[in-house]
Amino acid sequence: ETGVTQTPRHLVMGMTNKKSLKCEQHLGHNAMYWYKQSAKKPLELMFVYSLEERVENNSVPSRFSPECPNSSHLFLHLHTLQPEDSALYLCASSQELAAGTDTQYFGPGTRLTVL
Amino acid sequence: GQNIDQPTEMTATEGAIVQINCTYQTSGFNGLFWYQQHAGEAPTFLSYNVLDGLEEKGRFSSFLSRSKGYSYLLLKELQMKDSASYLCAVSDSNYQLIWGAGTKLIIKP
Repeated sequence: ETGVTQTPRHLVMGMTNKKSLKCEQHLGHNAMYWYKQSAKKPLELMFVYSLEERVENNSVPSRFSPECPNSSHLFLHLHTLQPEDSALYLCASSQELAAGTDTQYFGPGTRLTVL
Repeated sequence: GQNIDQPTEMTATEGAIVQINCTYQTSGFNGLFWYQQHAGEAPTFLSYNVLDGLEEKGRFSSFLSRSKGYSYLLLKELQMKDSASYLCAVSDSNYQLIWGAGTKLIIKP
C-alpha cells in the first residue's frame, strides 16, 4: 500500500462511451501525475498537476481530459477513445513538483481496454 | 533525443546475484531512480543516485557513473519474490522523469 489509490482497477469500454478514472492520495503531497503504461514501452507522462494547477500536458489527445479539484484528488475523463488507448493508466504523487528529485509514489493503476 | 536503455528480460537463479544495467542519454541530469514493479501492481521506489558511486540498501545496491551515462542495480541473494520488472528513470534538466521500458527479471528455483 503506497498511499495512492485508483478506481476502477479494471475498465472495459466501447469507443463511444464516456468514463472517468479516479485517483486519491493520502500522503499530503502537492504534485500529482497521470502516466500511460503500454506493454514493453516506457512510462509516458500525460499530465502533471502542482497545487491543483496543470503544469504539463505532453501533447495528449483531447479525448483525455484531466481534472484536479484539490491536491488529494485527480481524475482522468475519457471519451471517444481508440483501441490503441488500451493500456495501464497509473497515477502518482510526490511531495513537490519543483524538486523533480522527489520520489514519486504510484497507485496500482487502472487496466483499460477499449473495444 | 532523450533515451534510456535497459535489457528487456533477464533470468537468474534463486540465491544468486544479478546485475541490471541502464544507460542513458538525456538533456541534463538531476538523478537516477530505480523502481520495482510486480505484475499488476504499482511501481515502488528502490533507490536514487545523484552522485557517482555505489549506494547499498540491504540486498539491493545501485551504482552510478555520470561520465559514462551508466547505472546498474545489483540484487544479491535472490528470492522468488524478486521476480518483477525493474524500471530505470532519469530526472532531466527540467526535472522531468525520463523512463526506460523496464527489465523483466525472472527468478528460477
